[in-house]
Amino acid sequence: NAGVMQNPRHLVRRRGQEARLRCSPMKGHSHVYWYRQLPEEGLKFMVYLQKENIIDESGMPKERFSAEFPKEGPSILRIQQVVRGDSAAYFCASSKTSGTGELFFGEGSRLTVL
Amino acid sequence: GENVEQHPSTLSVQEGDSAVIKCTYSDSASNYFPWYKQELGKGPQLIIDIRSNVGEKKDQRIAVTLNKTAKHFSLHITETQPEDSAVYFCAASTNSGYALNFGKGTSLLVTP
Repeated sequence: NAGVMQNPRHLVRRRGQEARLRCSPMKGHSHVYWYRQLPEEGLKFMVYLQKENIIDESGMPKERFSAEFPKEGPSILRIQQVVRGDSAAYFCASSKTSGTGELFFGEGSRLTVL
Repeated sequence: GENVEQHPSTLSVQEGDSAVIKCTYSDSASNYFPWYKQELGKGPQLIIDIRSNVGEKKDQRIAVTLNKTAKHFSLHITETQPEDSAVYFCAASTNSGYALNFGKGTSLLVTP
C-alpha cells in the first residue's frame, strides 16, 4: 500500500521560472493538503483540495501560487515566476476523511530557487 | 489565528533516559493535538495524537498529556533509543482537523 507520493523530490529553478510539484494521495484517500516548510520552521498550511474542488486556500499566497486536484491524475501545486523566498520544502498530505485530523504526509519536494 | 510555541528547540539525552517536549497554544477552540516525527529528508509521521476530551494518552514508550485550562500539551518518551533521534513537531487544530498549526520543532538527539 503505497504512501503519499510526491515528485520531484528536488527541483531547482531560476528566478522567474515556473515550478510544478505533483502529489498522488494514498490509495482510497480523496482529501489532499499542501504545506510549506521553510528552513528551521514548522510546516504551514497552504491549501486543502478534494477532487476538482478547492475547499480552503486560506494559507496560499494571493499571487503566483495555485493548486488543483483534477478528476484524473495527481494534485499539482504550481508556483509561477518563482523568487528566492519560495525556496522551501513543500509537503503534500492526504486523508481518507476530513475533520479527523489524521493526515499522512509524503516525503516532500524541495524547491531551490537560484 | 492559532499560535503554537514549542520548547525546547534542541534536546540531547542519553539512551534509556526520558525526553519531554512541551507545547503551548493560544486558540481555546483548538481541540486536536497531534505529534509528528520527522527524520532527515523525510516527511512528518504521526506518532501520537490527543483530542480535547482526553487528558492523557499512552502508546508503548510515548505518551501525551493535555491541560486545556493552561493550554499546553506535552510529549513524553521513555526509555529513549538512538532511533528516536529526529525532529519532533507538535501541532494544534480546531474542528477542521486539516489546517494544522505546527510548532517550530524540537531536534532530539539520543546518544548511546
